[in-house]
Amino acid sequence: SDVLTQPPSVSVAPGQTARITCGGNNIGGKTVHWYQQKPGQAPVLIVYDDSDRPSGIPERFSGSNSGNTATLTIRRVDAGDEADYYCQAWDSSSDHLLFGGGTQLTVL
Amino acid sequence: QGHLVQSGAEVKKPGASVKVSCKVSGYTLSEFSIHWVRQAPGKGLEWMGGFDPKDGETFYAQKFQGRVTMTEDTSTDTADMEMSSLRFEDTAVYYCAISWPYGSGSSHWGQGTLVTV
Repeated sequence: SDVLTQPPSVSVAPGQTARITCGGNNIGGKTVHWYQQKPGQAPVLIVYDDSDRPSGIPERFSGSNSGNTATLTIRRVDAGDEADYYCQAWDSSSDHLLFGGGTQLTVL
Repeated sequence: QGHLVQSGAEVKKPGASVKVSCKVSGYTLSEFSIHWVRQAPGKGLEWMGGFDPKDGETFYAQKFQGRVTMTEDTSTDTADMEMSSLRFEDTAVYYCAISWPYGSGSSHWGQGTLVTV
């Protein structure tokens, strides 16, 4: 069955750029969304349909998707970005969705 | 702005069933898709299934097929998720979430319901 692979953790210094990858077989042919989840809270949608941002989400957050890798990029990282980040892919051929295992972002 | 309110925490014995409810306001379930996602303690998010009002079909992750039933009442904008034959490993926070269209990202989430087996 399909699997979405994320690095368990990513660390970045404040002000730098964080990149979180989501690997999957031909994920570029699927639609990918990204969520941010802080402890004790429900997930928050930060990127949808590969690269669109919901209203209220800063432009610092962006997404791309091609080939076998989707990427969430967070520019000018600050302490408030520390959270778990999850990718989710929609396979239109099966109408099933799938989450990646999640990546814990640490701001040094 | 939409709002999803879920039913309260549940404690169940193995083998029992549980039903979690999700009341939606600001959206109508005849137009928006409802998904169910769970998260075991200290673990990641797991998509369980979702309802597509466009064709009225509910899709279940293979893992939950046959053990989970998702229903929607468009007259009250309430969605239910019922899971049978509970096991210890079903202990998790269960979330409902809404999206439009079906395969897009879920923009609004319920507060979560802790089910302890």
